[in-house]
Amino acid sequence: NAGVTQTPKFQVLKTGQSMTLQCAQDMNHEYMSWYRQDPGMGLRLIHYSVGAGITDQGEVPNGYNVSRSTTEDFPLRLLSAAPSQTSVYFCASSYSRGRAHSYEQYFGPGTRLTVT
Amino acid sequence: DAKTTQPPSMDCAEGRAANLPCNHSTISGNEYVYWYRQIHSQGPQYIIHGLKNNETNEMASLIITEDRKSSTLILPHATLRDTAVYYCIVRVPYGQNFVFGPGTRLSVLP
Repeated sequence: NAGVTQTPKFQVLKTGQSMTLQCAQDMNHEYMSWYRQDPGMGLRLIHYSVGAGITDQGEVPNGYNVSRSTTEDFPLRLLSAAPSQTSVYFCASSYSRGRAHSYEQYFGPGTRLTVT
Repeated sequence: DAKTTQPPSMDCAEGRAANLPCNHSTISGNEYVYWYRQIHSQGPQYIIHGLKNNETNEMASLIITEDRKSSTLILPHATLRDTAVYYCIVRVPYGQNFVFGPGTRLSVLP
């Protein structure tokens, strides 16, 4: 298993540009989520999904869109990049309710985004 | 989910036990204690979890006080590779989201 993969590893955007951060997992996990981590801070939840076709907002959803058309993929879209979105973005997946005790989230390696 | 309090940083000598405390005085009866760590800039990694009994696995031991208001993660023989930020999280077992605070930055010194 490749686990959770994220692309790209690094990205530089200009203010106002849009882009999509890719996330994929091959563990057949129902639950997937996106976090951002600013320097010296813990992770903050952006959006999450409990299964294909179902998404919901986390703690800091503004400026981001998500969709979940398949179990494997959960892309994060930045609509109009702003310097405040400079951060490291982590995608994670786990089993969901009713399937198993979802104690372990598997994290991807992260995407380091800089907005100038 | 209950909030947790951890010291911002700790040092430990290589080869010695690292004891990382966590306070969760408002924990509910059905909330578990989870520990994750984040090495350098990698994604967080699961370490261990428990409800009220002490737990041990190949990575660490988790000691939860009888009143469940605090816990301690123990790395029995810390190595330089254990230098990381350690996060203590409490949540219900089937909750979807983990809330990561600032954690404890553990530095293992040679």
